[in-house]
Amino acid sequence: EAGVAQSPRYKIIEKRQSVAFWCNPISGHATLYWYQQILGQGPKLLIQFQNNGVVDDSQLPKDRFSAERLKGVDSTLKIQPAKLEDSAVYLCASSRGQGAGEQYFGPGTRLTVT
Amino acid sequence: DQQVKQNSPSLSVQEGRISILNCDYTNSMFDYFLWYKKYPAEGPTFLISISSIKDKNEDGRFTVFLNKSAKHLSLHIVPSQPGDSAVYFCAASEGWDGGATNKLIFGTGTLLAVQP
Repeated sequence: EAGVAQSPRYKIIEKRQSVAFWCNPISGHATLYWYQQILGQGPKLLIQFQNNGVVDDSQLPKDRFSAERLKGVDSTLKIQPAKLEDSAVYLCASSRGQGAGEQYFGPGTRLTVT
Repeated sequence: DQQVKQNSPSLSVQEGRISILNCDYTNSMFDYFLWYKKYPAEGPTFLISISSIKDKNEDGRFTVFLNKSAKHLSLHIVPSQPGDSAVYFCAASEGWDGGATNKLIFGTGTLLAVQP
């Protein structure tokens, strides 16, 4: 079974620029998550989708971050405009159901904002 | 407010000995706990979990212990192997299935180094 795919793996942008990340979850997984992991911290949930509907986006900075999951499969996370404090690893994860059971993580995208 | 705390940023043990990683939490509503392992440049990988109705769960060399009264859990690795060297994250949730969003709250991680 193929794992969670993410691209790009690395991205360097200047502040105030925009950036987008892509995630393809494990086939058949209904729930998709985007996490932000700042250096030295644990992953923090930004947004959770159940199929193509948003379940939780309470920690998503909606003035600059947006995410969508069209057709309930792939997802994109966008930052516009980026700030220096957005430098982090952005992790995508998926799970079969909505429960807090096992989540499968992708390799992440390391974003550096200069 | 850090609801899940891993107070040891790093731990070094000798191959073959026991590794004990600790985790404390403050939210009494948490009832499901997980450990994830992370290698550099990879995403976290699920290791083992425990629900609040149990105080111990074992899977091969890995055992998780839960002390609800102390709001403390620990991961024991016996015997430790060099391939176990990684960052270990403790995570907690208010519900393991159904219910709200059941989102995971992660600790800051402990870097385990197993010396050959």
